[in-house]
Amino acid sequence: DAGVTQSPTHLIKTRGQHVTLRCSPISGHKSVSWYQQVLGQGPQFIFQYYEKEERGRGNFPDRFSARQFPNYSSELNVNALLLGDSALYLCASSLGHSGANVLTFGAGSRLTVL
Amino acid sequence: DQQVKQNSPSLSVQEGRISILNCDYTNSMFDYFLWYKKYPAEGPTFLISISSIKDKNEDGRFTVFLNKSAKHLSLHIVPSQPGDSAVYFCAASPGFQKLVFGTGTRLLVSP
Repeated sequence: DAGVTQSPTHLIKTRGQHVTLRCSPISGHKSVSWYQQVLGQGPQFIFQYYEKEERGRGNFPDRFSARQFPNYSSELNVNALLLGDSALYLCASSLGHSGANVLTFGAGSRLTVL
Repeated sequence: DQQVKQNSPSLSVQEGRISILNCDYTNSMFDYFLWYKKYPAEGPTFLISISSIKDKNEDGRFTVFLNKSAKHLSLHIVPSQPGDSAVYFCAASPGFQKLVFGTGTRLLVSP
């Protein structure tokens, strides 16, 4: 069975550009969460979606947006990129949306903003 | 505001000995705690969890202890193996999936 898959694995953008990151959850998982991991820090929560509805949002500016599709895959969009957006973006999926549901993470998309 | 803290950025242990990783938290609303480990170029992998109604949970070589009065949890690995070398993240949840992670502890187990 495939795990959580993310694309692209690496990408380089310049300041002011826009980026779209994609995530396919484990088959049967209906919840998708996005995390940002800056070098030397732990992952920081950005969004959670469950059954195509936003269930939680972290302390990120409105430049960050996401959505979940009917097949439960998800996109994370970041507009007007800043140097500080350079990070590893992790997607995680789970069966349900409560804290007792273990998150399974993908390998991440590493974004570099120049 | 760092709600989950891992004050030791690194830990070195010899193979066969015990590894103890520590984590402190400040938010008393956290009711679920988890440990993840991360190898380079991979996403974090779930290791073990504990509910706030318990003080210990064991899974093979891994045991997590929770001291709610001290707002402290620890992960014990016995015996440690070289394959355990990774970065370990402590995470806490307030009842839904907004996990709050610590900054991680890099464990190195030498043969």
